[in-house]
Amino acid sequence: DAGVTQSPTHLIKTRGQHVTLRCSPISGHKSVSWYQQVLGQGPQFIFQYYEKEERGRGNFPDRFSARQFPNYSSELNVNALLLGDSALYLCASSLGDWGANTGELFFGEGSRLTVL
Amino acid sequence: QKEVEQNSGPLSVPEGAIASLNCTYSDRGSQSFFWYRQYSGKSPELIMFIYSNGDKEDGRFTAQLNKASQYVSLLIRDSQPSDSATYLCAVRGRGDTGRRALTFGSGTRLQVQP
Repeated sequence: DAGVTQSPTHLIKTRGQHVTLRCSPISGHKSVSWYQQVLGQGPQFIFQYYEKEERGRGNFPDRFSARQFPNYSSELNVNALLLGDSALYLCASSLGDWGANTGELFFGEGSRLTVL
Repeated sequence: QKEVEQNSGPLSVPEGAIASLNCTYSDRGSQSFFWYRQYSGKSPELIMFIYSNGDKEDGRFTAQLNKASQYVSLLIRDSQPSDSATYLCAVRGRGDTGRRALTFGSGTRLQVQP
């Protein structure tokens, strides 16, 4: 069975540019979450989507946006990139929504973004 | 005060010993607790989760939860060099949607010496 897949795995952008990161969840999982992990820190929550609806948003500026498609895949978009956006962006899928106590998240390998 | 606190380490233990990893959290309403392992350059991998006070065992791993003390721990018995990684504690709160996201600590780096 395929796990969570993310693309691209690595990318380099310059300040002010825009980036789109993509994620396909585990088959059967309807929830996708996005996390940002800066080197030396734990992952920090950005967004969660369930059944194509935004269910949660972390403390990130409006430059960050996301969406979920009918096939449950998801995109994370970041506009006007800053040096501080350099990080590993992790997508995680889970079976249930917030209300279900199935809190297990299964992470993809991440997209490592470098902003120069 | 950080919401989820872990000692950054490194915690160094000899092969075969018990490694004890600790985590404290600030939100008394937190409902569920997770331990993830992250190898260098890789993504976090779920090891265990625990919802109720007490101990939960899975193979060489035991998670311990004390909600009154707002404390979670992970014990790794018979530690192996392959256990060398960063261990992330994560907590899920309750209430509004933002609180129900997983909040991660910064992780404890474990080194198991052969």
